[in-house]
Amino acid sequence: AQSVTQLDSQVPVFEEAPVELRCNYSSSVSVYLFWYVQYPNQGLQLLLKYLSGSTLVKSINGFEAEFNKSQTSFHLRKPSVHISDTAEYFCAVIGLGQGAQKLVFGQGTRLTINP
Amino acid sequence: NAGVMQNPRHLVRRRGQEARLRCSPVKGHSHVYWYRQLPEEGLKFMVYLQKENIIDESGMPKERFSAEFPKEGPSILRIQQVVRGDSAAYFCASSQHWESPLHFGNGTRLTVT
Repeated sequence: AQSVTQLDSQVPVFEEAPVELRCNYSSSVSVYLFWYVQYPNQGLQLLLKYLSGSTLVKSINGFEAEFNKSQTSFHLRKPSVHISDTAEYFCAVIGLGQGAQKLVFGQGTRLTINP
Repeated sequence: NAGVMQNPRHLVRRRGQEARLRCSPVKGHSHVYWYRQLPEEGLKFMVYLQKENIIDESGMPKERFSAEFPKEGPSILRIQQVVRGDSAAYFCASSQHWESPLHFGNGTRLTVT
């Protein structure tokens, strides 16, 4: 079985500042990793994913995450945040070959951008 | 191209009543998943269905909860005799294949008074 820990429940930052949202996972098998974003009163949207290949993956809106196997981490970063990035961010993990119902979510990190 | 549609968006029920939550998957998707999100927690898997079949219900409480995905019509998550602890956001997701990415609906927020 897999598990995910998001170390920060809330992260307040100022607009245009950099941000890092931390995610650590545990698994006895190889994994796929995901970051989902949930804007207020909406469902989750896939932000980015690591399946294989390059350990650095990027989204279209400037976020990136790096898969670090030795540290079992998949931290999400953005060099300069915008007010519109205010949302809750969920890290998720699934073991290779497992069906989507086995996707395990972290507790979420609420990112608040202050002007 | 409609995404996953859930209704109602908000549902208020008194203790002991029944709650019925509906989910229409993305057109062409035959796999449906229900998740529950309690305050300050991540999503917890409840049940995975394909048309007319429950594939995995390991995350669903054994009593009062049931789900279906009929051949025609939306998937239904039914909660009988609701209690205050059932208050949560319930999300539905769909996918084309069991390995495909999930598409989430906007959720139904159930409040039990």
